[in-house]
Amino acid sequence: SAVISQKPSRDICQRGTSLTIQCQVDSQVTMMFWYRQQPGQSLTLIATANQGSEATYESGFVIDKFPISRPNLTFSTLTVSNMSPEDSSIYLCSATGPAVIDTQYFGPGTRLTVL
Amino acid sequence: KQEVTQIPAALSVPEGENLVLNCSFTDSAIYNLQWFRQDPGKGLTSLLLIQSSQREQTSGRLNASLDKSSGRSTLYIAASQPGDSATYLCAVKAAGNKLTFGGGTRVLVKP
Repeated sequence: SAVISQKPSRDICQRGTSLTIQCQVDSQVTMMFWYRQQPGQSLTLIATANQGSEATYESGFVIDKFPISRPNLTFSTLTVSNMSPEDSSIYLCSATGPAVIDTQYFGPGTRLTVL
Repeated sequence: KQEVTQIPAALSVPEGENLVLNCSFTDSAIYNLQWFRQDPGKGLTSLLLIQSSQREQTSGRLNASLDKSSGRSTLYIAASQPGDSATYLCAVKAAGNKLTFGGGTRVLVKP
């Protein structure tokens, strides 16, 4: 199994600013993902964080708004740029192994409120 | 495009009653299906993972079944307790190792 930690756990930010969320996994994993959960909604995949290369973004999400880094197998960051109140959500980091049969694990999430 | 639906959206039962949560998906080309629990404002806890070749998985009071051909999974929670109150999410894994989530079922177990 994998234990995932995220920092910060929550933050309140002003419109127009940016926030970087960190994700650390306690073991080497192959794949890391970033999800967003808007209030009262289910989870939506933002992007797959690729080690040493640009992230792969889902439809509706762009690198300029959500730049992602993954410098090694156990660490990734997601930046929410030029924030607006619509970005208020829980952002969750997720990780899994290389095989499709592997369990997917989630971090505790970062609760972001944009004023 | 894969779509995952969970019915009902909310469920309230007295303590001790069995819980039945339903999940349906439109594309049967999945690798596996995973059930998660989410407490308010928290992350996701994995409950059960069923591979596409399996029919069911059990863990304690939890049992999940999978009928891939009909695109359905059911999570049973026996003898519910107030501590089972949470939102339960199902997710299917398909190409690219990506999960598609249902909307969740919000469960309240009343003492």
